[in-house]
Order: sequence, then C-alpha cells, then structure tokens
Amino acid sequence: QLQLQESGPGLVKPSETLSLTCTVSGGSISSSSYYWGWIRQPPGKGLEWIGSIYYSGSTYYNPSLKSRVTISVDTSKNQFSLKLSSVTAADTAVYYCGVVVAAIGAFDIWGQGTMVTVSS
Amino acid sequence: EIVMTQSPATLSVSPGERATLSCRASQSVSSNLAWYQQKPGQAPRLLIYGASTRATGIPARFSGSGSGTEFTLTISSLQSEDFAVYYCQQYNNWPPRFTFGPGTKVDIK
Repeated sequence: QLQLQESGPGLVKPSETLSLTCTVSGGSISSSSYYWGWIRQPPGKGLEWIGSIYYSGSTYYNPSLKSRVTISVDTSKNQFSLKLSSVTAADTAVYYCGVVVAAIGAFDIWGQGTMVTVSS
Repeated sequence: EIVMTQSPATLSVSPGERATLSCRASQSVSSNLAWYQQKPGQAPRLLIYGASTRATGIPARFSGSGSGTEFTLTISSLQSEDFAVYYCQQYNNWPPRFTFGPGTKVDIK
C-alpha cells in the first residue's frame, strides 16, 4: 500500500521560496500506474489543487499559480517536490501531497499534510 | 476553467437520518467526479470516484449519482463518524486540472 509523507520548513519568509518534499513508500514513483500531485488548504478554507506530475515527467499546474510553481521528481529517492516562489501570507496553508491511481482518476491516497506559515 | 459549486454550505442532520449533498459543475465533466470526506485535522479521504463508484473500504451507506453537471452524494443513515466536511472534485480536463468545490459541512442537528 502506498504511503506518502510531506517534509519541509514550517515557516517561510515573505518573497522567499517555499520548498516541500513528498517521500513515497510502498511503490515506485516511476510507475505508470500513478501520478503525483500537490494540494493545499488555507486555515479554515477549502482545497486547492496546485499541480501534478506524471511518470513521464510531464507537469501540469493550476493556472492561478503556474508562474510561481515548479514540481519535480527524484526517482533515485522515490520523492517528488514542490517549489513555490515569491510567497506571501496568502500562501499560508496546510500542504498535502497525493497520488492519483490512473485507473481511478482522483486523489486516492494523501499524505498527512504539513502546515506552512509565511511570516517574517 | 470549470467551476464547482456545492449546496448547501452546511447541512444539519440527526444521527440515523439521510443526508443529500449536491455538487454542480459549470460545464460537463462527464462522470469524472469524486467526493472526499475531511474531518478536522485530517487529510481528505476519497469516498467516491467516477461519480458513483465507492473507493476501497467505504461503507455502502455512501452512494454517489449523477453525470454531466449535476451530482449527488447520499449518506443513507448518518453515523456519528460521518459528521465532517464533504468536497466534490472534477478531474475531467485535458491537460489535467483538478477543481474542488467549496465543501458542505455536515453537522449534528
């Protein structure tokens, strides 16, 4: 059974770059059966898809964040990462990584989430 | 861009009663619609995908229906552990874009 775990700094300064990593266990990040994504949730608010990356390396981003987002994969570590540049207080949120099983199409498995606060 | 709306924003239900939650897409998403349950301090859990298929381990009291732009999640007899926020999500587009609805909170009447 796949398991995901987010890691990264819990506090980021305004204008800096938020960097998070999702470590995958129980399966290969290179498998064509899965694709990987990041979702965030500001405190007390709803869910927002940030972007996804496919086993081929193709990336797809939320248009509202596209200019600031980079998602990449490190197959040697079975990890994928999120970078969000030029952060502001509006980027304060719980950040989740998730996996879409290709046959299902929706986010079937989620990490526990990590809270990131943007503040000086 | 596809916009998802959910109604009502809050649904107050007594344990054992039926709950019906609605989700609407601004344009057709075929059957590419999922429902998630989220409890405080927890990650969302996938309940339904393909508009009507229960995910692994989801009790039969949860059912989904609809296609195109109108969808419904029904909880046939609410249990105490079902009080939570429910989100719908479309995954229809290519290139892939996942759009969530704003959520419906189901609380105890």
